[in-house]
Formats: sequence, structure tokens, C-alpha cells
Amino acid sequence: KAGVTQTPRYLIKTRGQQVTLSCSPISGHRSVSWYQQTPGQGLQFLFEYFSETQRNKGNFPGRFSGRQFSNSRSEMNVSTLELGDSALYLCASSLDYSREDGYTFGSGTRLTVV
Amino acid sequence: QQPVQSPQAVILREGEDAVINCSSSKALYSVHWYRQKHGEAPVFLMILLKGGEQKGHEKISASFNEKKQQSSLYLTASQLSYSGTYFCGTAYNNNDMRFGAGTRLTVKP
Repeated sequence: KAGVTQTPRYLIKTRGQQVTLSCSPISGHRSVSWYQQTPGQGLQFLFEYFSETQRNKGNFPGRFSGRQFSNSRSEMNVSTLELGDSALYLCASSLDYSREDGYTFGSGTRLTVV
Repeated sequence: QQPVQSPQAVILREGEDAVINCSSSKALYSVHWYRQKHGEAPVFLMILLKGGEQKGHEKISASFNEKKQQSSLYLTASQLSYSGTYFCGTAYNNNDMRFGAGTRLTVKP
């Protein structure tokens, strides 16, 4: 079966711009979570969506937002980009929010803010 | 809410054993373990649920001590392919999953 697909793989943006990242989960998976990964901070939780509803949100500023569509695909948006937003953004999907089968992660979107 | 992993890094020779610990300050509902190789996505290894048994395969197993709010990952007779960064993820009552900072494992020939 196809894995979790994240697009684009790489992105270079300028400070102050905004960016939209996309995630297509494994077919049949209804839960999507987003994480920011940086060398010093590890995996930091951004959001979790299930059936188009945001179930949980991490401790990130309001510049970070997301949504999930009826086909379970998800997008996250970062407005007014800052240099510190440079990171690998990972999307993870699971059948439902019990996550008893674990997460399947996408390969990530590498965002560089210059 | 982020779990604490120890050690931060470990270097082994092939065939040696290692233990990675994951501790939480809150009562845990479940613990996940993942391995991430350089430049790749994290890969799910196993889940331990509150009240569940020790899980694992032949050489990689894990335990979950509910009283201590701690999980440990055991790697026995390590192989070169075990190298990578290991993350534990913890969830409290089906809330969001938070990950530890990771343990970098290097296995040398």
C-alpha cells in the first residue's frame, strides 16, 4: 500500500512569507498529526486531526495552523515565517486516534527560511 | 509533558546489548517506540498499552512499568542495522502523543 505522502519535499522561503505543506495519509487512515523536527528539540507536536476536526494542538504560536479535508488529507500553514521555523516537518497518520497500530510517518518537508 | 529519554547517546560493538529508558511525569496510557535512521522517516517498532504485557521480537523488546511511569527498550545482540535514533512517544488517555528528545545509538563492527 502507498505510504504517507508529503509535498513538497524541500522548500526555501524568505522571512515574512507564508507556506502551505500538504500530507496525504495512508488510505483508510483518518487521523493525521504534524510534528516539527529540529536537531536540538527532537519531535515537537503541532496538531492532531481526526475526521476533519482538530483534536489537539501543541504549544506553537498562532502563525501555525492546519486543517483536514473530508478525504483525510491534511495541510498545515505557517504565516509570517521566521528564521527559527526552519525545520523538518513530519506528518504521521494512523487508523484512528487510538494509534494502537502506531504512526506511519511521511518523509517530511524540509523547510528552510532565509 | 514531553517524556525524558536516557541515555542521550550510546555506542556499542556488534553483539552487545543496550537499554534505552523513557520516563514520564504523568500517568501513561500508552508508549510507542520508533527508530529513525539518518535522512529517513521514523519507523514504528512497537506499542505498549497500560495493563499490557511486555512486547517485542526476538532481539528488540520493551517493557512498561505503570507504577514508575517508565518504559524501557531492550536491544540484545545488536546488529549494525540497529544504528539510528530511537524515540519514545507517550500519550495520556488518548490525548496527543509527545516524543522524547531521542537516543542516538551507534553500532560499530
